[in-house]
Amino acid sequence: GAGVSQSPRYKVTKRGQDVALRCDPISGHVSLYWYRQALGQGPEFLTYFNYEAQQDKSGLPNDRFSAERPEGSISTLTIQRTEQRDSAMYRCASSPGEGLSVSYEQYFGPGTRLTVT
Amino acid sequence: SQKIEQNSEALNIQEGKTATLTCNYTNYSPAYLQWYRQDPGRGPVFLLLIRENEKEKRKERLKVTFDTTLKQSLFHITASQPADSATYLCALLTSGTYKYIFGTGTRLKVLA
Repeated sequence: GAGVSQSPRYKVTKRGQDVALRCDPISGHVSLYWYRQALGQGPEFLTYFNYEAQQDKSGLPNDRFSAERPEGSISTLTIQRTEQRDSAMYRCASSPGEGLSVSYEQYFGPGTRLTVT
Repeated sequence: SQKIEQNSEALNIQEGKTATLTCNYTNYSPAYLQWYRQDPGRGPVFLLLIRENEKEKRKERLKVTFDTTLKQSLFHITASQPADSATYLCALLTSGTYKYIFGTGTRLKVLA
């Protein structure tokens, strides 16, 4: 079946522009995570959705970052007024399970490589 | 402060040997620990999950141990093959949160 998809795969933007990154999770997956991954590092948690509810946004670096998942499926991560330090690989992952303190496997998407010039 | 450590150096082993990767953590009380494989340019792929009350989990040639006293998980690949060459990541989930914390990963190279 189809895995997690993300678009665009590559995004080059000028400093100060807004960008929107899209994640299409595996159908039926309740949980959705956004991560940022620097080269040679593990994924860094940004935010978590349970259906359409954003349950944890503690990893969002500042208020220029926001995310939504209005219908409990596709999610968008938006970065306003981009800065060069925002350049990174942004990955989303979906998971079939839900609930606090319960762990299920995560299925990662291919990521969006964001470059801010 | 909270920290997760994986071998920062790449691990080179000969084909057929057992590869052992470590994941050490401090100032966490993880309820779950996951291991992932990541190939260059790809997203992480889930391998195994172990709960805090489990000592060991196996799947084919893979074995994970979880020692909450030592605050350590070991990940073993037996009869390693060149196709096992990749970066391996551990991830913790602490009770009462949704937030996974990933280690930096260990790069494994299996030599033919």
